[in-house]
Amino acid sequence: EAGVTQSPTHLIKTRGQQVTLRCSPISGHTSVYWYQQALGLGLQFLLWYDEGEERNRGNFPPRFSGRQFPNYSSELNVNALELEDSALYLCASSLAGDRAGELFFGEGSRLTVL
Amino acid sequence: ILNVEQSPQSLHVQEGDSTNFTCSFPSSNFYALHWYRWETAKSPEALFVMTLNGDEKKKGRISATLNTKEGYSYLYIKGSQPEDSATYLCAFKSVFGTGTRLLVSP
Repeated sequence: EAGVTQSPTHLIKTRGQQVTLRCSPISGHTSVYWYQQALGLGLQFLLWYDEGEERNRGNFPPRFSGRQFPNYSSELNVNALELEDSALYLCASSLAGDRAGELFFGEGSRLTVL
Repeated sequence: ILNVEQSPQSLHVQEGDSTNFTCSFPSSNFYALHWYRWETAKSPEALFVMTLNGDEKKKGRISATLNTKEGYSYLYIKGSQPEDSATYLCAFKSVFGTGTRLLVSP
């Protein structure tokens, strides 16, 4: 069974540009979470999608946004990139409706903003 | 904003040592506390899901306990091995602590 897949694995952008990161959850999982890990920091919660709806949002500016598609895959969009957006972006999926369910993580997309 | 705290931030032990670290979380509206292990160049992987006060879970040499009334969980590693070197994360309601980075020297 395929795990959580993310693309691209690495990318380099310049300040002011926009980026889209993609995530495909494990088959049967309908919840998708996005996290940011900037250098020297822990995992910061960005967004949670379930059944196509945004369910919760972390303490990030509006230029961080996303969506979840009918097939439960998800995109994370970051507009007007800033240097401090350089980070590893992790996507995770879980079974919907299971509040105690563990998260299954992808390998991440490493973004460098120059 | 939920505050999930872990201590210590890092730990360096010798092979064979036993060690433990702490996760503290808000004690209200509790339903689950997760522990994850994150090895370098890999993705975080779930170790335990703790749901009941007084729960104790065990996987090999690693075990965890839970106190929901006071809002803390302990993770124990008995007889640490170099392959236990990783960052150990706890999570409460999708909020992660900053982790404890464990290094086990041969």
